[in-house]
Amino acid sequence: DAGVIQSPRHEVTEMGQEVTLRCKPISGHNSLFWYRQTMMRGLELLIYFNNNVPIDDSGMPEDRFSAKMPNASFSTLKIQPSEPRDSAVYFCASSRRGAESYNEQFFGPGTRLTVL
Amino acid sequence: GENVEQHPSTLSVQEGDSAVIKCTYSDSASNYFPWYKQELGKRPQLIIDIRSNVGEKKDQRIAVTLNKTAKHFSLHITETQPEDSAVYFCAASDTGGFKTIFGAGTRLFVKA
Repeated sequence: DAGVIQSPRHEVTEMGQEVTLRCKPISGHNSLFWYRQTMMRGLELLIYFNNNVPIDDSGMPEDRFSAKMPNASFSTLKIQPSEPRDSAVYFCASSRRGAESYNEQFFGPGTRLTVL
Repeated sequence: GENVEQHPSTLSVQEGDSAVIKCTYSDSASNYFPWYKQELGKRPQLIIDIRSNVGEKKDQRIAVTLNKTAKHFSLHITETQPEDSAVYFCAASDTGGFKTIFGAGTRLFVKA
């Protein structure tokens, strides 16, 4: 298995531009998570999906952030318009929620976003 | 809201010594406590986890302990090696591992 796949790995954009980050979870996993990591705020959970349905988006910082999961193998995190303070590493993670309930989250390699 | 506090933020030990990282959590509903290791420029990876019905778990040089009454859990690394140098995150989550709250991380330096 290729693991969680994220694209792009690096993104440099100018303030005000739209940014779209992409994630492909591990096949067979039914839960997907988006995290943001910065030196100041650490690792923050932004939103998570179960069976493609958003369960909790309380971590999404502002209305400029939106996330979708149109099918089991793809999710996007969009920032529109982007601002310099959005610069961070964005991780996607997936897990398989089953009867056992306690399931490891597998992280993707992350997207390093720089907003100038 | 839910919170996980982690100490220390930085830890420097001599190779061969032990390292201990401590976390406390606020949500009584938390019942799954994973620990992740993140090397520089890489993704977090699970190294060990513990469930609320277990007080201690060990995997070679790594052990975790959990005190549900006090809402404390700790990571113990024995016989540290330079390759243990990384940032370690504790986390607490509810049943199903959905809402996972991470600690701020501990940067561990192991000096050769």
